[in-house]
Amino acid sequence: AQTVTQSQPEMSVQEAETVTLSCTYDTSESNYYLFWYKQPPSRQMILVIRQEAYKQQNATENRFSVNFQKAAKSFSLKISDSQLGDTAMYFCAFMALSYSGGGADGLTFGKGTHLIIQP
Amino acid sequence: DSGVTQTPKHLITATGQRVTLRCSPRSGDLSVYWYQQSLDQGLQFLIQYYNGEERAKGNILERFSAQQFPDLHSELNLSSLELGDSALYFCASSFSEGLAGETQYFGPGTRLLVL
Repeated sequence: AQTVTQSQPEMSVQEAETVTLSCTYDTSESNYYLFWYKQPPSRQMILVIRQEAYKQQNATENRFSVNFQKAAKSFSLKISDSQLGDTAMYFCAFMALSYSGGGADGLTFGKGTHLIIQP
Repeated sequence: DSGVTQTPKHLITATGQRVTLRCSPRSGDLSVYWYQQSLDQGLQFLIQYYNGEERAKGNILERFSAQQFPDLHSELNLSSLELGDSALYFCASSFSEGLAGETQYFGPGTRLLVL
């Protein structure tokens, strides 16, 4: 079974600052994908960024980038030039490509980090 | 707007009752996933269907069941409801069965309150 740990329940930064959210995971699988999802107060789950474990290059999407350290099983999210609209819960998620069930399993989520961007 | 629709948005019912949650995936998506988000358990994967067939099972209780119909919409049935079943239930969809780690797009959720 996979586990995902987000050690920061809440973080608060000033607008325009850079913030890094931590995530570690534990798995015995060799093929997997990692995701960061954002959940604003509306409760909608929105994909922020996706990383394939077989790729060494860190994924980047505009102001969002990850630091993927496979050996350390670490997958942190960096948000640059933070904006008020970035205020949300951020969930790290893992998907193993296990064939035991006939296909891939669903996403395993961490408990989330509540990020507050202060004006 | 992700393109995934869920009905109803809110549901209030009593213990012991049965409810059905409905999900329509994005156009062209063949997989539907169900997740439960509660204060106690966080976000948990329940079950996945791909093109009408059950593909993967997570922490789904025996009182819960799901199916995917030929038009690819899915229903999650919750029976003998307990107070602890109160949660936000999400449906997500993806193009294929997930073996390429493709993105899952989430619906807005159905908020269930069991009194």
